[in-house]
Amino acid sequence: QVTLKESGPGILQPSQTLSLTCTFSGFSLSTYGMGVGWIRQPSGKGLEWLANIWWDDDKYYNPSLKNRLTISKDTSNNQAFLKITNVDTADTATYYCARILEQLRVMDAWGQGASVTVSS
Amino acid sequence: DIQMTQTPSSMPASLGERVTISCRASQGISNYLNWYQQKPDGTIKPLIYYTSNLQSGVPSRFSGSGSGTDYSLTISSLEPEDFAMYYCQQYDSSPNTFGAGTKLELK
Repeated sequence: QVTLKESGPGILQPSQTLSLTCTFSGFSLSTYGMGVGWIRQPSGKGLEWLANIWWDDDKYYNPSLKNRLTISKDTSNNQAFLKITNVDTADTATYYCARILEQLRVMDAWGQGASVTVSS
Repeated sequence: DIQMTQTPSSMPASLGERVTISCRASQGISNYLNWYQQKPDGTIKPLIYYTSNLQSGVPSRFSGSGSGTDYSLTISSLEPEDFAMYYCQQYDSSPNTFGAGTKLELK
């Protein structure tokens, strides 16, 4: 059974760096064709893809936020990470991580989401 | 970026009714179109991938079709648990993008 769970700071102030962790089980990020993606959703709004990291450590970012994003992984501990620098109130959202199957191009398992509020 | 236009934005419907949600891409996406369901508690569940392939465990009342720029999700007979938000996603080119969502509401 594949499970993912996001964790984060909950609340942070403008200009700080947001650090998110995705802890997963049921698959390995060293297995061919596996990836983890980050997606966010402001309250009452739609889904926005942020970044992917792949089994071979390839990384892809949404160009609209690329300069502020860093994705990484710890294969040994089954974790993926996302950092967003210089946050502001527009970054307030629920952040999801999801497993991606490269060949099928689908996010086939999602975490429950972590709520992040940026406020002074 | 490829824009995904999803219609309608909301849809009142009755139990047992057949409903169809549409998604139009701003350019051809070679059938790389996925559908997801989101419940009010935020839980997101994949339903269909590559236009018409049912994710494991998804009931057969869900189906997908389409080609080129136009795609659709059909629920043949609504059950109580189907009232939720639905999102399409194109995964043909990066950045992958989502439609704005369709809220399926009980009439």
